Parts: sequence; C-alpha cells; structure tokens
Amino acid sequence: GAGVSQSPSNKVTEKGKDVELRCDPISGHTALYWYRQSLGQGLEFLIYFQGNSAPDKSGLPSDRFSAERTGGSVSTLTIQRTQQEDSAVYLCASSDPRGGAYNEQFFGPGTRLTVL
Amino acid sequence: AQSVTQLDSHVSVSEGTPVLLRCNYSSSYSPSLFWYVQHPNKGLQLLLKYTSAATLVKGINGFEAEFKKSETSFHLTKPSAHMSDAAEYFCVVTKGWGYQKVTFGIGTKLQVIP
Repeated sequence: GAGVSQSPSNKVTEKGKDVELRCDPISGHTALYWYRQSLGQGLEFLIYFQGNSAPDKSGLPSDRFSAERTGGSVSTLTIQRTQQEDSAVYLCASSDPRGGAYNEQFFGPGTRLTVL
Repeated sequence: AQSVTQLDSHVSVSEGTPVLLRCNYSSSYSPSLFWYVQHPNKGLQLLLKYTSAATLVKGINGFEAEFKKSETSFHLTKPSAHMSDAAEYFCVVTKGWGYQKVTFGIGTKLQVIP
C-alpha cells in the first residue's frame, strides 16, 4: 500500500517568501505529526494533528509557522516570511492511534527546504 | 518531562564486528522506547520498539535492544555489522496513549568500514 508522501521533495526559496509544504498520510491514519530535521540538531517536533484538530502546537518555533489539515487527511505546513534559519528537512509522519502506547509512526521522505 | 540521550554522535565499526549504539532515557513513568533508522536520502524506518512484554527486543535486520530500567538504558546492538547498516540511528521515547509526545535523540551515525 501507499506510504506517507510529501511534496515537494526539494524547495529553494528566497528569504522573505512564503512556502507551503504538503503531506499525504497513510489512508486511515488519524494522527499526523510534523517534524523539522536540521543539520546536527536531530528531529524537532513541530505539531500534532488528531483528525483535523491540532491539540499540540507546542513545537512551532514562531508565529510564522502554521499548519492545517483538512478532511482528516492531507496536511499543509506553511512558513511565512522565510528566514535562512528555516532551512531544514521537514518530515511528516502518520500513525494509527489505536495502537495505544506503542504506535509506530510512519515517516514520509521529507521536504528539503533551502532559504537563500 | 522526558528526554533521551544518545551517547555517541558517530560510531565506526569494521564489517563483521559487533555494533553497539548507546541510548539513555529519562522518564517519570514507564516509557515507550523505539529505535528508528534513516538511510541516506531515505525516510525514517522503525527498527524495533519496547512494549514492556520483554526486556530484550528483536528488530529487523538482526538488530536488538535491551531495556534496562535500573540503568535507564535502551542500547541497540547487532552481532555482526554489514555494509548496508551504514545509516543514522535515532533513539526515541514517547509518552501517552494514542497520541504520543515524542522525543528524539540527536542521532548516531554508524559508519561500517569494509
């Protein structure tokens, strides 16, 4: 079956521009996570969705970052007025919460964002 | 609060020799622990997970990890390294049921020398 997909795979933008990153989770996975992976920083949690609502936005680094999810499926992460420090790989993961405490998260291949 | 510490940022082994990637965690309750692997230019893949059913957990590709509560450790091992094991490995601790607050370690890059 299809895994988690993300688009675009690579995005180069100029400082100050807005970007949108898309995530298509595995069908039926109601939980969706966004992470940021920066060089030497490991994975940083950004936001979690359960269905269309985001009960945990605690990882969003600033108000330039926002995310939404529609139809309990596709999610979009938007970064406004991009800065060079936003350059990173943005990863999306989905899971089936019915697994309880031991859910496996399934990761997409990521979007590599470069801000010039 | 929860945290995870991967004690080595880089590990280099010769092909055919044992692998040890170290992970210590901090958690105020029984943790859920995972190891994920990320091959170059690939997505993260689950290697194994600790579910409290057994302290020694076997995963894919011959990897295993032992949960030691007294040492708050969950080290990843493999008896004999293969070239295809070269990748970055992440130790993960989670909290919660259904929704999980996830904390990743900083990662350990494993180099396998032929």
